[in-house]
Amino acid sequence: DAGITQSPRHKVTETGTPVTLRCHQTENHRYMYWYRQDPGHGLRLIHYSYGVKDTDKGEVSDGYSVSRSKTEDFLLTLESATSSQTSVYFCAISQGQRTDTQYFGPGTRLTVL
Amino acid sequence: AQSVTQLGSHVSVSEGALVLLRCNYSSSVPPYLFWYVQYPNQGLQLLLKYTSAATLVKGINGFEAEFKKSETSFHLTKPSAHMSDAAEYFCAVSNSGNTPLVFGKGTRLSVIA
Repeated sequence: DAGITQSPRHKVTETGTPVTLRCHQTENHRYMYWYRQDPGHGLRLIHYSYGVKDTDKGEVSDGYSVSRSKTEDFLLTLESATSSQTSVYFCAISQGQRTDTQYFGPGTRLTVL
Repeated sequence: AQSVTQLGSHVSVSEGALVLLRCNYSSSVPPYLFWYVQYPNQGLQLLLKYTSAATLVKGINGFEAEFKKSETSFHLTKPSAHMSDAAEYFCAVSNSGNTPLVFGKGTRLSVIA
């Protein structure tokens, strides 16, 4: 299995509070991604990174920010959590070519009350 | 823009029967195509991928998929379903350059004893 960990694995928080999710990899892959998974929607890209300090928005980036100060870590921040951000969040990594496999982390289940 | 359509959000088959999960894609460039599987409470795992080397692609756990350009399809099949195949399956297409994968909404496979 690819060396990807996500923390925390489960979190319950209240509306309006800030939340940060962490993705850590030991593979030295250049690309890192954050997706959210919701029933009936599959996986939707939030943000991705193509190198340290290089990030770009995905399909559902509103309300989320990211940071990548080291190759191995990619942080996803919800500045002020809302109930619509209740979801399962997956981190993925790849070397970045079109044919490359994306390897997924175990996911973080976030509940916003 | 690229997109993926998975026909049928839920497919149910009997143990030992043929599994057929449908995927159609839209792409303005030659696509690279992927099938991932997600077991309950886990991340996604690559089943197989098409990278233009051969139109019939064999993957793990006895699955295979055939790329048909004329039909813009990449259907996933397995000759004989096993109880352990019960999971959610996602088809994805690689966008141009180094942009991220675009996923379908997923098909949940149930296997009946």
